Amino acid sequence: GQQLNQSPQSMFIQEGEDVSMNCTSSSIFNTWLWYKQDPGEGPVLLIALYKAGELTSNGRLTAQFGITRKDSFLNISASIPSDVGIYFCAGLRETSGSRLTFGEGTQLTVNP
Amino acid sequence: SAVISQKPSRDICQRGTSLTIQCQVDSQVTMMFWYRQQPGQSLTLIATANQGSEATYESGFVIDKFPISRPNLTFSTLTVSNMSPEDSSIYLCSVVGQGVSEQYFGPGTRLTVT
Repeated sequence: GQQLNQSPQSMFIQEGEDVSMNCTSSSIFNTWLWYKQDPGEGPVLLIALYKAGELTSNGRLTAQFGITRKDSFLNISASIPSDVGIYFCAGLRETSGSRLTFGEGTQLTVNP
Repeated sequence: SAVISQKPSRDICQRGTSLTIQCQVDSQVTMMFWYRQQPGQSLTLIATANQGSEATYESGFVIDKFPISRPNLTFSTLTVSNMSPEDSSIYLCSVVGQGVSEQYFGPGTRLTVT
């Protein structure tokens, strides 16, 4: 079953606002990945994190690998309508090989 | 990243029948996976598709229900057997890219069982 707790489950924001979401676990992860899924599409990889404390940006997106290796955060700055979608965190544990564990997802709605 | 295609993109099937979903990658990849995404839910790993050997299934998934083939490094199939309405989901294949830890997903196959 799911071992990643992702929050919030949903967010309703105004265009231009910043957004934060996070994933936490009781287990240690070696890699954190953040995906975005649009309706009718497969998840698209946004950011990959490999080291505790790592902070990585991709345009208006910034993600951090928590120093405890049990959490990760994704921030979106100056949101725009095309940011609408479901954001998933996913993690790789040392014992899981390449088998990803996914969070429950955060549904983001951006009002123009 | 690899370009991944899936066929069919969607289908409506009757209970008791089987559907085979194809996943094609535009480059050779070492690892391929099959996931299920039930309506409004997150992704759950079904199995790892191993080239030249039997797939490795996750807890709760069995070969008789979800037989998988992987004849080469660019292609895999997942069959959903003896379908019931509970099998209505999106089925996604994924591959591991050059970054070893980075996984990329196909567009998914939306299955509805009536």
